[in-house]
Amino acid sequence: QVQLVQSGAEVKKPGASVKVSCKASGYTFTDYYIHWVRQAPGQRLDWVGWINPKSGDTNYAQRLQGRVTMTRDTSISTAYLELNRLRSDDTVVFYCVRDLGGNSGHALAYWGQGTLVTVSS
Amino acid sequence: DIQMTQSPSSLSAAVGDRVTITCRASQSISNNLSWYQQKPGKVPELLIYAASSLQSGVPSRISGSGSETDFTLTISSLQPEDSAIYFCQQTYRPSFTFGPGTRVDIK
Repeated sequence: QVQLVQSGAEVKKPGASVKVSCKASGYTFTDYYIHWVRQAPGQRLDWVGWINPKSGDTNYAQRLQGRVTMTRDTSISTAYLELNRLRSDDTVVFYCVRDLGGNSGHALAYWGQGTLVTVSS
Repeated sequence: DIQMTQSPSSLSAAVGDRVTITCRASQSISNNLSWYQQKPGKVPELLIYAASSLQSGVPSRISGSGSETDFTLTISSLQPEDSAIYFCQQTYRPSFTFGPGTRVDIK
């Protein structure tokens, strides 16, 4: 079955960077886009961007352009999200999500367990 | 970016009631609209994609409709396990924005 397993919780200081990993299994990694979504406590879901694992092409939410980088390592079926210049309002749970694919219009079908990133001085 | 709004922001209904949530996009998104359910402390789950297609494993009492700018999620007969927050999301490029969510409580 499709599984996405994310790295563990992180605590960072303002201005630092964080890198979250997402290891995929149960399907061919390069066949489906991986999206990243974040959620602050009690808040709405916030789409961060996607990466095409086959080509490495990325598409980021405009408000995070310049601070976010998505990469992947196809040899170990793992996607990565790096966010730089962390601020206190970057205290969120990050989810990696596999695209449903096909004619779903990029619906977010398979979710990782989430990674809490806490930014605090 | 395309802005998404949802109404109501919350509702309370009895078991067996028909519940409808609406989602509106600030511009036409064709049928590029998904719905998700999130229970407290849990990961969101995909319910509906392409505006009206039911994700595998989702109960048939849940349905979606709409196109262009106006969409609805309907629960035909509310069950206790439907208590959750429901989010819509547009996936019309380039950015895939979510709505603010609708909290559904059971009376």
